[in-house]
Amino acid sequence: GQSLEQPSEVTAVEGAIVQINCTYQTSGFYGLSWYQQHDGGAPTFLSYNALDGLEETGRFSSFLSRSDSYGYLLLQELQMKDSASYFCVLGGATNKLIFGTGTLLAVQP
Amino acid sequence: DTEVTQTPKHLVMGMTNKKSLKCEQHMGHRAMYWYKQKAKKPPELMFVYSYEKLSINESVPSRFSPECPNSSLLNLHLHALQPEDSALYLCASTAQGSDYEQYFGPGTRLTVT
Repeated sequence: GQSLEQPSEVTAVEGAIVQINCTYQTSGFYGLSWYQQHDGGAPTFLSYNALDGLEETGRFSSFLSRSDSYGYLLLQELQMKDSASYFCVLGGATNKLIFGTGTLLAVQP
Repeated sequence: DTEVTQTPKHLVMGMTNKKSLKCEQHMGHRAMYWYKQKAKKPPELMFVYSYEKLSINESVPSRFSPECPNSSLLNLHLHALQPEDSALYLCASTAQGSDYEQYFGPGTRLTVT
């Protein structure tokens, strides 16, 4: 089967940099995505890694290493509005996405 | 228009009721999804429609019945639900070849009494 593990909670201060890790087990997949979900809101797409390496989108960067079955989301210049849950997501050959366990990020002043 | 809309926002229903959730998108996306999300958990895939045909059913109980009347609309018909079915029901859509980037609606908060 497929599974993705993330830390359940991460706390950081405003202006800091935080890294949210994701380790996975799968027999094959196309890429790794990241989604943000504020409390009571809908998940929103942040980034996608089809290939190994770093993808940068503004304050957010995402990294994938297929050889290590590992990825991470890096958030820079943290803002209070970044407090949310973050999910790593595997995409496969079909339209099916597998969501990770989710990380609740708390940004403190 | 990059929005997925869902109605109603909130729904309270008894275990003998029949109700429907509705989802609509006008982005020309040909894949649409239903997810169920419990508090502090990730979304769980229920159904996928691709080109208006059911392509994935994640062994969902028959008390949940999806329907895709056309390429813009997705319904979820509910009947004889159980209290444990109370959850946030999310609809999503994706463009062809970009299933990693799902556009989610705001969800319907369902409470079964």
